[in-house]
Amino acid sequence: DTGVSQDPRHKITKRGQNVTFRCDPISEHNRLYWYRQTLGQGPEFLTYFQNEAQLEKSRLLSDRFSAERPKGSFSTLEIQRTEQGDSAMYLCASSSGAVGNNYGYTFGSGTRLTVV
Amino acid sequence: RKEVEQDPGPFNVPEGATVAFNCTYSNSASQSFFWYRQDCRKEPKLLMSVYSSGNEDGRFTAQLNRASQYISLLIRDSKLSDSATYLCVVTPLRGGSYIPTFGRGTSLIVHP
Repeated sequence: DTGVSQDPRHKITKRGQNVTFRCDPISEHNRLYWYRQTLGQGPEFLTYFQNEAQLEKSRLLSDRFSAERPKGSFSTLEIQRTEQGDSAMYLCASSSGAVGNNYGYTFGSGTRLTVV
Repeated sequence: RKEVEQDPGPFNVPEGATVAFNCTYSNSASQSFFWYRQDCRKEPKLLMSVYSSGNEDGRFTAQLNRASQYISLLIRDSKLSDSATYLCVVTPLRGGSYIPTFGRGTSLIVHP
């Protein structure tokens, strides 16, 4: 499978618990993005990695959220002390190339988080 | 003002109709532009890139107008299978990086 993989597909957690999601991008893609999507909205940008460097973070990414991409391959997104408002689909995307990328971004199937 | 604005619809059209969507963006330094399609509870998938010269892929035509800062998508001869949400994507410069930024999507329903 040469697509973007995300694990788990679904996660139900109790409020206050910590959760961690994993994303495996397409192997030759050096750029990785995390998004959050709620019903009726487009994906909202959370953070961006180029190789192992986290180059951009959204204001949406509160101090309860942290992301890593330790070896420039897979990435993890952790949410600490989850709140009901964190319930959403968390999407990972990857891409190659530099400025002026016209090949787009490939998304994984997402992790659907439900906080109860 | 949002960086990328789309009319959420829904656009309800009969099979065979032609339908057009527009999307406006606020950052004139944006680099790349795309239309994505998203089916219910699925991930977004690339439909087509958008260029100033316009580009066509079968029944789909996309156009970029940099001067007015909008992109458009035209679907001809709509099929039932075209029913989906269409997401406009723009890449504004943010903190030194071009970050793909999505509109909220336009819902299309094609009925028999």
